[in-house]
Amino acid sequence: GENVEQHPSTLSVQEGDSAVIKCTYSDSASNYFPWYKQELGKRPQLIIDIRSNVGEKKDQRIAVTLNKTAKHFSLHITETQPEDSAVYFCDNLQGAQKLVFGQGTRLTINP
Amino acid sequence: DTEVTQTPKHLVMGMTNKKSLKCEQHMGHRAMYWYKQKAKKPPELMFVYSYEKLSINESVPSRFSPECPNSSLLNLHLHALQPEDSALYLCASSQWTSVPSEQFFGPGTRLTVL
Repeated sequence: GENVEQHPSTLSVQEGDSAVIKCTYSDSASNYFPWYKQELGKRPQLIIDIRSNVGEKKDQRIAVTLNKTAKHFSLHITETQPEDSAVYFCDNLQGAQKLVFGQGTRLTINP
Repeated sequence: DTEVTQTPKHLVMGMTNKKSLKCEQHMGHRAMYWYKQKAKKPPELMFVYSYEKLSINESVPSRFSPECPNSSLLNLHLHALQPEDSALYLCASSQWTSVPSEQFFGPGTRLTVL
């Protein structure tokens, strides 16, 4: 299967708080899990990715965790800032090229 | 040059028109992609080119015709489109074709079909 389920669809947090977005996938052969951020009117851009041979990866305020047994992975953003407001997509790569996007999470950071 | 560029930024066309969207990258990437994105929806893959050959066609209607003239250019030819084809068309490229890697997206062409 090619399904990627993403939750929540919208998320509103106070500036400085943490945000967590979760995704589940169905293809047990998947081995690459990127997260893309799309600001309003802009192109999607990769913010972090993880491969199936690691369980967690961190880049400053952003981290991604992967649970291959449960087939889910999560994006964690700490100390949120106004510029974090955007739509975030989890993705599942089928093979090496076919990127299947989750439905997206609209994150709003309230000042 | 580390960007994917697309022209035009906006396009309005009638259902009988023929137009083309253009995409260019100079990062030496060997895979290039076309996506369609409707408002408040995720991008949906349309076509993938690997080493200038079409490798994936996601059952896209024939009124959309992709072309990869060389390793840096990707075109999408449009003919007899329908109003429901109005969307943002995104081009992307990635370095490798056989190993998963980051896809770099262009800014998109916003297409309106009247």
